[in-house]
Amino acid sequence: EVQLVESGGGLVQPGGSLRVSCAASKFSFSSVWMSWVRQAPGKGLEWVANIKPDGSEKYYVDSLKGRFTISRDNAKNSLYLQISSLTAEDTAVYYCVTGGGVFSSWGQGTLVTVSS
Amino acid sequence: DVQMTQSPSSLSASVGDRVTITCRASQTINTNINWYQQSPGKAPKLLIHAASTLHAGVPSRFSGSGSGTEFTLTISSLQPEDFATYYCQQNYSIPRTFGPGTKVDIK
Repeated sequence: EVQLVESGGGLVQPGGSLRVSCAASKFSFSSVWMSWVRQAPGKGLEWVANIKPDGSEKYYVDSLKGRFTISRDNAKNSLYLQISSLTAEDTAVYYCVTGGGVFSSWGQGTLVTVSS
Repeated sequence: DVQMTQSPSSLSASVGDRVTITCRASQTINTNINWYQQSPGKAPKLLIHAASTLHAGVPSRFSGSGSGTEFTLTISSLQPEDFATYYCQQNYSIPRTFGPGTKVDIK
């Protein structure tokens, strides 16, 4: 069974930066598109970004472009999301997800809280 | 961007009821729509992809239909574990977008 374990969330001050990570196992990580999806407390789901298996193509939601950077290390079976210039609106659970368009497996999520 | 809307936003139903949730896209997306179930405090789970294809392991009481701009998710006989929030999502174009969700709770 696919396993996705996110880490790196926590409390961050406004204007700060953070990198969340996802450790993938029990599937061929280097062969699949991966995505990040976030969910603010009590709100709906928002797709953030996705990345091609070899990392050569990356796509983002326009509103976050420039502050969010998705990357992957296939040798480490890991997915990353670097977030800069954090605001309170970035407070959310960040999910690591398999797939670029059909999100078939989800991690448990990591909570990022932006507050002073 | 393709905007997704869902109706109703919430509904109350009883075990054994037939439940239908509608999702509409702001432009045609063919059958590039997926449905997810999210129970409280849990990560979402994929139920249906490509409008009507059941994801592996999903009970057959779930079904999806539609094409173009209007889609439905049907639960033929609601079970206790089905009380959750359901989201549609299009993968026709970037950015991928979700509907606002439909919360199904116990009557």
